[in-house]
Amino acid sequence: QSVLTQPPSASGTPGQRVTISCSGSSSNIGSNYVYWYQQLPGTAPKLLIYRNNQRPSGVPDRFSGSKSGTSASLAISGLRSEDEADYYCATWDDSLSGPVFGGGTKLTVL
Amino acid sequence: EVQLVESGGGLVQPGRSLRLSCTASGFTFGDYAMSWVRQAPGRGLEWVGFIRSEPYGGTPEYAASVKGRFTISRDDSKSIAYLHMNSLKTEDTAVYYCTRYLSGYVYGHYYYYMDVWGKGTTVTVSS
Repeated sequence: QSVLTQPPSASGTPGQRVTISCSGSSSNIGSNYVYWYQQLPGTAPKLLIYRNNQRPSGVPDRFSGSKSGTSASLAISGLRSEDEADYYCATWDDSLSGPVFGGGTKLTVL
Repeated sequence: EVQLVESGGGLVQPGRSLRLSCTASGFTFGDYAMSWVRQAPGRGLEWVGFIRSEPYGGTPEYAASVKGRFTISRDDSKSIAYLHMNSLKTEDTAVYYCTRYLSGYVYGHYYYYMDVWGKGTTVTVSS
């Protein structure tokens, strides 16, 4: 059971906009920045979004992050086949005194 | 190019020990905290622990699931971080990733996150 709650799956067709949610509590998302990682099949995770809505260099602006209260979202616009991957949200948890991850969302591009 | 390469994984019996290494290149290793994250087969990501850089004490922190069994250390002269795993259990079977760990304070909030990841090394605990 993960501290952060994500839907196990999401899907969309090429060109579509998809959002993935991440729900937490006041001790984690509610009081800390949120991060998103993309894990392509058979590879290591890669940082996609940091500090709620910032993109590292090289990450396309099709990817965007937002946070409101104790929830966060990752939006992917102009969906492409190469976006098919697992997506994880993460943040710091003040009660656990450590980083926590969501259970991951498997995105399928139909 | 910033790179992290893990090594030392393998098959080990329950109750035994194993040491993983993470060799860094492309950045000033001593300036950064380092962390370990694991992923059990078919499961999500789980933070294992991190070690602060020497200017911040070089001290480690651990997840509750490994505290007392795992130890993280670093050798800045060699740009290597280590994960010493003792009393291994079958549930420790996972791919272990080494990551660079950034922390700081901006716009009134602290931040902590893993920005660079290695490719991982597989640890299988089985009799």
